Amino acid sequence: EAQVTQNPRYLITVTGKKLTVTCSQNMNHEYMSWYRQDPGLGLRQIYYSMNVEVTDKGDVPEGYKVSRKEKRNFPLILESPSPNQTSLYFCASSKGGSLPYNEQFFGPGTRLTVL
Amino acid sequence: LAKTTQPISMDSYEGQEVNITCSHNNIATNDYITWYQQFPSQGPRFIIQGYKTKVTNEVASLFIPADRKSSTLSLPRVSLSDTAVYYCLVGDRDNYGQNFVFGPGTRLSVLP
Repeated sequence: EAQVTQNPRYLITVTGKKLTVTCSQNMNHEYMSWYRQDPGLGLRQIYYSMNVEVTDKGDVPEGYKVSRKEKRNFPLILESPSPNQTSLYFCASSKGGSLPYNEQFFGPGTRLTVL
Repeated sequence: LAKTTQPISMDSYEGQEVNITCSHNNIATNDYITWYQQFPSQGPRFIIQGYKTKVTNEVASLFIPADRKSSTLSLPRVSLSDTAVYYCLVGDRDNYGQNFVFGPGTRLSVLP
């Protein structure tokens, strides 16, 4: 089944304890992206990657790191989490190339709480 | 990136047609218009995309006037399961990496 998977789905941690949220897709997509979603703010893009070893900042990259060593994986790293990073996080992928119909496929989400 | 404006919320009743309009006054020549649907605690799902005039698929229709400064997502005969948040996105076909800028969206509530 074509899908985007994220782990963990739920995580409660404490301030300053490094964590990684994994994202993997099995559709051979070139483009991958991370978003956070907060009440009243919609989805905001954190980082995206157009291909392996190519990453770019989105709208809210501060406090996050990403890497794209393999096409299928795009982990999100919080080196020193803070309470303002408590949010619902989504990973997404798309096949890349120009539009049209370059739709994104989203993972199930990771709900992170930083105490 | 062209900024989009949508109503924050809308209510409808089962069986009615729902039209959600998105304004994008600064849309550029290369920009496409895309709509996504999101249910609570799930990731958004692609609904429809268009450049001009009208596009229709099995889920919805998208109407885009000649000046392309707005677009209207039309959901025929909505049901309770159409209750969701709907996002309008506008982005350059050649810079798709920056295409996916979601605003607050429109929260549609379908009532029985």
